[in-house]
Amino acid sequence: GQQLNQSPQSMFIQEGEDVSMNCTSSSIFNTWLWYKQEPGEGPVLLIALYKAGELTSNGRLTAQFGITRKDSFLNISASIPSDVGIYFCAGQSYTSGTYKYIFGTGTRLKVLA
Amino acid sequence: DGGITQSPKYLFRKEGQNVTLSCEQNLNHDAMYWYRQDPGQGLRLIYYSQIVNDFQKGDIAEGYSVSREKKESFPLTVTSAQKNPTAFYLCASSRASSIEAFFGQGTRLTVV
Repeated sequence: GQQLNQSPQSMFIQEGEDVSMNCTSSSIFNTWLWYKQEPGEGPVLLIALYKAGELTSNGRLTAQFGITRKDSFLNISASIPSDVGIYFCAGQSYTSGTYKYIFGTGTRLKVLA
Repeated sequence: DGGITQSPKYLFRKEGQNVTLSCEQNLNHDAMYWYRQDPGQGLRLIYYSQIVNDFQKGDIAEGYSVSREKKESFPLTVTSAQKNPTAFYLCASSRASSIEAFFGQGTRLTVV
């Protein structure tokens, strides 16, 4: 099955640093979503992007929908310890009247205090 | 409060037995999904359903079965045919015309 390529796979950063991660696909998507998953829990939606070129913020998080519609970026500014978790991108496809979500492989973030 | 409830949170199964994972939502969402997550990997789609009494196979449906008799419920059965069933299973739902999918807290299945 298709999965999106997400990078980096993991990162260790110091508290206060900015974080950048990205997600790429060989297919075009109409919507990009970014989720955060904490250990033992289900993913929680952070940001949804609806059109190419869109730049959306949610607090310290900023995400962009790539112009080619094949990629998306997530930035976290001034990281704090509670930012720890796995960040997933997801692209939504719509075919034959059904919606499907294709997920990235995840970026595991660890913040060092 | 509206949300998606998965139960149980932890489940142990003997090899060769079927087991059913529960997923209930009170968000009035039309679409529901089951994903499997293995350590260090992303989410892989098992089955999904857009409306009651209808469902489609995802990328890794072999060894699994589902039913959608009610809008609120989408149980997943892991059968003995699933060769490697130990994993974290996540259920999600969305409005049919919506973009965002919302997840339950997951069920960790361990085959012993």
